[in-house]
Amino acid sequence: IAGITQAPTSQILAAGRRMTLRCTQDMRHNAMYWYRQDLGLGLRLIHYSNTAGTTGKGEVPDGYSVSRANTDDFPLTLASAVPSQTSVYFCASSDSERNEQFFGPGTRLTVL
Amino acid sequence: GQNIDQPTEMTATEGAIVQINCTYQTSGFNGLFWYQQHAGEAPTFLSYNVLDGLEEKGRFSSFLSRSKGYSYLLLKELQMKDSASYLCAASDNDYKLSFGAGTTVTVRA
Repeated sequence: IAGITQAPTSQILAAGRRMTLRCTQDMRHNAMYWYRQDLGLGLRLIHYSNTAGTTGKGEVPDGYSVSRANTDDFPLTLASAVPSQTSVYFCASSDSERNEQFFGPGTRLTVL
Repeated sequence: GQNIDQPTEMTATEGAIVQINCTYQTSGFNGLFWYQQHAGEAPTFLSYNVLDGLEEKGRFSSFLSRSKGYSYLLLKELQMKDSASYLCAASDNDYKLSFGAGTTVTVRA
């Protein structure tokens, strides 16, 4: 593994289903982030974690939850997916919240 | 909250110069980032400004004026591979990034 990986690459999901998007980094970065990217709206922060064991809400947290049990992994869970959660999801990390963020390749999620 | 504005689209000719402007209004400010994003790919870091002035890095330069809430990204000697979306992002009091919607730059031969 080099950098940040996300899984799955893409997913089609029925509304009401539960889904977890996975994110793993091997750079030992303290801070990790989840964004969604929608046409015309740019990247919007969903949740973040400044260090293992802590999480915080971003701009659009409703309908999403995260956990940070260790430094490397930062999964994003949709408890009950809705069509408005159709988007491209990017995970990112940085060695400090003050520094540049490195982005994963993204997960394209479609909720029908 | 944050308000980040940048133009939606710009077109330029190969070898030319293009300047992408970004204005921001933030609750606190801890720096301005520029990212490049090719279609279907992840954003990649280009530059970071926290003090007023120009930062030059090869063909790309970025400028910041904190008093005016204004930044620009300057792309010189444009190449076809520079066709991409360019994202302006402001860091707030808590060091969280707010992104603009992005400027799609198309380079024509």
